[in-house]
Amino acid sequence: GQSLEQPSEVTAVEGAIVQINCTYQTSGFYGLSWYQQHDGGAPTFLSYNALDGLEETGRFSSFLSRSDSYGYLLLQELQMKDSASYFCAVEVGGGFKTIFGAGTRLFVKA
Amino acid sequence: DTGVSQNPRHKITKRGQNVTFRCDPISEHNRLYWYRQTLGQGPEFLTYFQNEAQLEKSRLLSDRFSAERPKGSFSTLEIQRTEQGDSAMYLCASSALNEKLFFGSGTQLSVL
Repeated sequence: GQSLEQPSEVTAVEGAIVQINCTYQTSGFYGLSWYQQHDGGAPTFLSYNALDGLEETGRFSSFLSRSDSYGYLLLQELQMKDSASYFCAVEVGGGFKTIFGAGTRLFVKA
Repeated sequence: DTGVSQNPRHKITKRGQNVTFRCDPISEHNRLYWYRQTLGQGPEFLTYFQNEAQLEKSRLLSDRFSAERPKGSFSTLEIQRTEQGDSAMYLCASSALNEKLFFGSGTQLSVL
């Protein structure tokens, strides 16, 4: 089976940097993805790591350590619109299936 | 390309009734997924298709749930004899081979 752990809530100030951690236990690990979901909206893709290291996409970066079964999402220059839920998700089965964590709710304060 | 489309957006039904949802994926995507999401939780995998073939169905999924993708394009998810525990957002997603998931806006099911 698969399990993913991430904090349930994180609060940060506008303009700050926040890191959301994710640890996973799974068989057939293929890669780690991050998705953002605003209240009432659909999940949207943010970032993906198949190999160890850091991937940067604008204000968002994602890191993966396969040996530690650990990854994180880094959000820089936080904006109020970044208030949302963030899900880490593992791809298994050769990339055929994506399993989501319970999500981290990020609150950005002025 | 209008994205992934799901219908209806909302469905209210009485316990014991059957419901069917439709998903139209992005046209060139050969993979289609169904997920279920309840408040405060992440999307829970239900099943997925590669073209018209259903390749996996969650072991947690009751036999009351069935999905089809008859021509490898749109898909339907049917729930028979609905129960109050089936109340959730049902999300459809599509992807090209080894690419990210694109989600539809979902169908919110309420079973009274």
